[in-house]
Amino acid sequence: DAKTTQPNSMESNEEEPVHLPCNHSTISGTDYIHWYRQLPSQGPEYVIHGLTSNVNNRMASLAIAEDRKSSTLILHRATLRDAAVYYCILMVVQTGNQFYFGTGTSLTVIP
Amino acid sequence: DVKVTQSSRYLVKRTGEKVFLECVQDMDHENMFWYRQDPGLGLRLIYFSYDVKMKEKGDIPEGYSVSREKKERFSLILESASTNQTSMYLCASSFYVVPGELFFGEGSRLTVL
Repeated sequence: DAKTTQPNSMESNEEEPVHLPCNHSTISGTDYIHWYRQLPSQGPEYVIHGLTSNVNNRMASLAIAEDRKSSTLILHRATLRDAAVYYCILMVVQTGNQFYFGTGTSLTVIP
Repeated sequence: DVKVTQSSRYLVKRTGEKVFLECVQDMDHENMFWYRQDPGLGLRLIYFSYDVKMKEKGDIPEGYSVSREKKERFSLILESASTNQTSMYLCASSFYVVPGELFFGEGSRLTVL
C-alpha cells in the first residue's frame, strides 16, 4: 500500500532548476514529509523534511501544498552530482516514526 | 559525523546457510531499522527497534529475525537463507524524537546461491 507516488524518472539540463513532484494523498495531520536521495552504490542520504510550511536548506527547497496531499522538491541548479534516485517518504508518527519509502524518481542530469 | 557501519559490503552464501548482517551506529540513536532494496520495489522495511531488546515487524519480516542486545548494534539474521533473499540490505538509525532524520549505512549486498 504505497503512501507516496512519484514519477519513475525525470531529466534535467545541468544548471537548470529541477522540480521533483510527489503525491501523498493519504497523509495525516502528524505525518512528516521527508526527502532522501541515493547515489549509486551508496545508502540513501537525507535531503530535507517538512510538516506544513515550505522549507529551505543548503541542498534544496521543499514546497508543500496547502492541503498537504502533494509536495515538490526543488533543486535550484542541477549539477551532474545531483544525478540520483530521489525518494519522497512519509514519516508516520502514529506508527512510531516509521518511514514509508516509495520507489523513487531517478533523476538524470544532462550536461 | 554520524556513522552507521554495516559489517560486510558483499556476501555470498549458499541456500540453507544461516546469515548474520551486523550494523553499528555511533550516535546513541534509539531507533534502528533494517530495509531491503530490490529493483523496482524501492526500500521495504523488514524490522525496526526502538530500544535495546525491543523489536517490531516491518512490512516483510518473513524469513528474518533481529537482535538488539546493545543500543548501538542491530543484527539481521537469516535463519536459513533462500535465493529470494538475494538483495541489498540497508541499515539505518535515528533519534526517537520527531522528526528523526534517518542515517543509513552503505549497504550489504547479499547473494544466495
